[in-house]
Amino acid sequence: GAVVSQHPSRVICKSGTSVKIECRSLDFQATTMFWYRQFPKQSLMLMATSNEGSKATYEQGVEKDKFLINHASLTLSTLTVTSAHPEDSSFYICSARIRDRGFNEQFFGPGTRLTVL
Amino acid sequence: GQNIDQPTEMTATEGAIVQINCTYQTSGFNGLFWYQQHAGEAPTFLSYNVLDGLEEKGRFSSFLSRSKGYSYLLLKELQMKDSASYLCAVATAGNKLTFGGGTRVLVKP
Repeated sequence: GAVVSQHPSRVICKSGTSVKIECRSLDFQATTMFWYRQFPKQSLMLMATSNEGSKATYEQGVEKDKFLINHASLTLSTLTVTSAHPEDSSFYICSARIRDRGFNEQFFGPGTRLTVL
Repeated sequence: GQNIDQPTEMTATEGAIVQINCTYQTSGFNGLFWYQQHAGEAPTFLSYNVLDGLEEKGRFSSFLSRSKGYSYLLLKELQMKDSASYLCAVATAGNKLTFGGGTRVLVKP
């Protein structure tokens, strides 16, 4: 149980276009989903916390108008990278926390590798 | 601010034991996680400590000392497939996880 999927797994786009990444909890309801980015040989950096039905909370230094997050249901959150540029190329990973479970464990999706040309 | 430190790289021989240390200074503490991550893949959960002491799970053990802001992950009977990055992460307020830089472990035959 506790499976999180992401789609797409890889995406290549031209500079200036927008890319949407989906994160789904497949067999549980996720009160909260988190979005991370990871540059090569570096650790995960939290970008934002997404709660179902409310606005996302962004970490310091993350532009909310560039990285649009929508958490429309208890099983789906989306991250849209708007007007993508080469410096946005990264590995984007989402995670989900199980609803009503006090334990802080997060379940991670397989990641989406974004390459902006 | 949050500060989590762990060594960048470690090398060990197949069958041996390796200990990965993690020190942290965070505002708030709701537990410490260890994750394993293979290149290009998502992190997978290894262990969780919220109270002081040692948690053992098969070949992997994790230790926590809250007063010292210190944890370690012990990998025993190393196998080639254990070559990966190991991430120390502290849970803070709002159920957020703050990750250390990760330790790349290379297991040699």
